[in-house]
Amino acid sequence: EAQVTQNPRYLITVTGKKLTVTCSQNMNHEYMSWYRQDPGLGLRQIYYSMNVEVTDKGDVPEGYKVSRKEKRNFPLILESPSPNQTSLYFCASSSSDIADYQPQHFGDGTRLSIL
Amino acid sequence: GIQVEQSPPDLILQEGANSTLRCNFSDSVNNLQWFHQNPWGQLINLFYIPSGTKQNGRLSATTVATERYSLLYISSSQTTDSGVYFCAVNGGSQGNLIFGKGTKLSVKP
Repeated sequence: EAQVTQNPRYLITVTGKKLTVTCSQNMNHEYMSWYRQDPGLGLRQIYYSMNVEVTDKGDVPEGYKVSRKEKRNFPLILESPSPNQTSLYFCASSSSDIADYQPQHFGDGTRLSIL
Repeated sequence: GIQVEQSPPDLILQEGANSTLRCNFSDSVNNLQWFHQNPWGQLINLFYIPSGTKQNGRLSATTVATERYSLLYISSSQTTDSGVYFCAVNGGSQGNLIFGKGTKLSVKP
């Protein structure tokens, strides 16, 4: 089954404790990205990757890191999480590096709570 | 940047009723998608429809790109249709989907 898989689905942690949210897709997609969803602010893009070893900032990249060492994986790293990063996070992928011309497929989301 | 406006913001229906959700966007787009966010927070891809009309069961969508709007039709609504419906279009950097604020739909039994 074609899917985007995020882990963990839920996480409660404390300020400053490094964490990684994994994202994996099995559709051989070139393009992957991360969004966060916050009440009143909607979904906003954090980072995106057009292919292996190619990443770039989205609208809200501060406090996050990403890497794209393999085509299928695009982990989101919070080196020193803070409470303002409490949010619902989504990973997405698309079949073309010209991502504007293809539908994006979303994972089930990861709820992060940072105390 | 591109603006995406959805209406109505809230909609309450009795089971079996039909509804139309609207999405207006401020500039030409190459990508328009409709999503349903269920009560568990999952984003379900409904349609990829930068132009034209598509149907999938009780749902259909039409995008008139020249007039910068899209419509999502839900017929014979069911309680499982409840949730928030988002329209998203491409904007800004490559592949950056700009989401509207959504229409919150509640279907009562």
